[in-house]
Amino acid sequence: KNEVEQSPQNLTAQEGEFITINCSYSVGISALHWLQQHPGGGIVSLFMLSSGKKKHGRLIATINIQEKHSSLHITASHPRDSAVYICAVRLRSTSGTYKYIFGTGTRLKVLA
Amino acid sequence: GAVVSQHPSRVICKSGTSVKIECRSLDFQATTMFWYRQFPKQSLMLMATSNEGSKATYEQGVEKDKFLINHASLTLSTLTVTSAHPEDSSFYICSARLRVNNSPLHFGNGTRLTVT
Repeated sequence: KNEVEQSPQNLTAQEGEFITINCSYSVGISALHWLQQHPGGGIVSLFMLSSGKKKHGRLIATINIQEKHSSLHITASHPRDSAVYICAVRLRSTSGTYKYIFGTGTRLKVLA
Repeated sequence: GAVVSQHPSRVICKSGTSVKIECRSLDFQATTMFWYRQFPKQSLMLMATSNEGSKATYEQGVEKDKFLINHASLTLSTLTVTSAHPEDSSFYICSARLRVNNSPLHFGNGTRLTVT
């Protein structure tokens, strides 16, 4: 079982739909990142969360530390939102440096 | 915002040659840079963590003599794939952290390496 699990793996939505992507993890973390990877490969950091909720434009990210779960929501989805969304958790390794574990990603396609 | 530049974006090389990939933080000092490898439709796999002025820390299973990492300054880290083999063909991507607590990750645009 992976330490970071995302669901769904693939998601197709119609333009305008509300989208939710989930991330569950089984390790203790100090922060969680949501990343967006475009078809060309470049990765953009969307959010970094350690508690609560953050909003940026049409994107909302929430985290529940007790339940070890985070969600990424996209409101009024648009074809340009089509990308792979990756959940990454940051944990502190025994050497005291930061270490990251990545989920396998959710491939989102938004149809016009 | 912080920008990480990775170069080249694509490279094709012959088996047995070496390829160097550069990762630069353009407007900030990156204490730590990470190098990842990504296979098609799979997630990022951490290869090594590079700290400025010290030796890189490699993940288990990553050959340090094959994947040479140098972090000579606070703005530049390089990954050299030595004696490249077709199985080294992959997408390599770097990320960097600022020298502040709770810094987010900033990623380069990746390098697609094809070894023929």
